[in-house]
Amino acid sequence: GAVVSQHPSWVICKSGTSVKIECRSLDFQATTMFWYRQFPKQSLMLMATSNEGSKATYEQGVEKDKFLINHASLTLSTLTVTSAHPEDSSFYICSARGPYGANVLTFGAGSRLTVL
Amino acid sequence: GQSLEQPSEVTAVEGAIVQINCTYQTSGFYGLSWYQQHDGGAPTFLSYNALDGLEETGRFSSFLSRSDSYGYLLLQELQMKDSASYFCAVGKGSTLGRLYFGRGTQLTVWP
Repeated sequence: GAVVSQHPSWVICKSGTSVKIECRSLDFQATTMFWYRQFPKQSLMLMATSNEGSKATYEQGVEKDKFLINHASLTLSTLTVTSAHPEDSSFYICSARGPYGANVLTFGAGSRLTVL
Repeated sequence: GQSLEQPSEVTAVEGAIVQINCTYQTSGFYGLSWYQQHDGGAPTFLSYNALDGLEETGRFSSFLSRSDSYGYLLLQELQMKDSASYFCAVGKGSTLGRLYFGRGTQLTVWP
């Protein structure tokens, strides 16, 4: 089946540093990917829509300068959390639209970020 | 904006049938989806309803009534491995895949 890979699966960083999370579609091309954030035992909150070759579209309330998204190829989107602070600690999950239909999202396994 | 209501927890025994309800409010309807997520894992797609009626996929079925702004996920012949969180989600606009998720229903299946 279709696989979306995220890396790293977990990361610990110091406050003020930046962290990059990669999201790859391994066996299909994804022109559109989505980044979600999930707090423990809570819902998934859509952060942004990542479009290959163009700027990401951010949801209301999400700081685009804090969460930099780049979608430079049909199989790779990256999320960079800049100047991370403890409140940015969370589970970040990416998803790709396809390949089983535009209404079906294939999710990555997530990246757990802990900011000390 | 959007809002979704689903029960926070449901418990059942193996072999039973469980229905997880979801009511929604949304400005413009772009389909109702269901995803399963095991602890610490990736959400996986279960079903999508754009039109009224029942969609069946193996042991799982999903129903939608747009006039009632209501849907449900029906799980039959429950197995221990079905213990997970189940999320309903509605589209946030015409961009397919841009979803607003409910808070999830934790299903526990007992032997």
